[in-house]
Amino acid sequence: QKEVEQNSGPLSVPEGAIASLNCTYSDRGSQSFFWYRQYSGKSPELIMSIYSNGDKEDGRFTAQLNKASQYVSLLIRDSQPSDSATYLCAVILGGSNYKLTFGKGTLLTVNP
Amino acid sequence: GAGVSQTPSNKVTEKGKYVELRCDPISGHTALYWYRQSLGQGPEFLIYFQGTGAADDSGLPNDRFFAVRPEGSVSTLKIQRTERGDSAVYLCASSSQPGQGAGGYTFGSGTRLTVV
Repeated sequence: QKEVEQNSGPLSVPEGAIASLNCTYSDRGSQSFFWYRQYSGKSPELIMSIYSNGDKEDGRFTAQLNKASQYVSLLIRDSQPSDSATYLCAVILGGSNYKLTFGKGTLLTVNP
Repeated sequence: GAGVSQTPSNKVTEKGKYVELRCDPISGHTALYWYRQSLGQGPEFLIYFQGTGAADDSGLPNDRFFAVRPEGSVSTLKIQRTERGDSAVYLCASSSQPGQGAGGYTFGSGTRLTVV
């Protein structure tokens, strides 16, 4: 089992819909979780961080964390074509307080 | 500076040559990280500096890779005897403190290394 797994997609949603991106991780001791957005040819951009179980909302973005299920997700409401990008889940696994372990990313396409 | 600066943005080199990649972190950030991203993959950890010292170099793939940060600010990633498999985007990030509480890292725009 890979340490951080994401559905590689691609995920395609119509404009205005909710996009749901999922990530699982293997280390139950993990404490810090991040979502990065990466446009083609650009570097990753941090969009959400979450540390506690439950939901965290920031504008159209909601991160959800369930440590018991070792699952973290990102919901994008009212998806826009400008949201089309690869979304990377990153986890600081237990035993470290600095090393980000990334999933392979999910390519999201929002169709006008 | 305002953000993490990496130079050059693109580097094409011949197999077997030596290359240096530079990272200038956000002013005042003591933690600095190098990651490598191959096509279709997420970034992979290479090395972490706290101040001038390499606190964790466990991600460096082999002894052809080396990194320094002599004054605790600018860092240089050095690759000897480059191989085609070294082709990737090399990303640098910095943070005011490592890990939890740092709110994640700010990445530079990366250096795209192509070994031909």
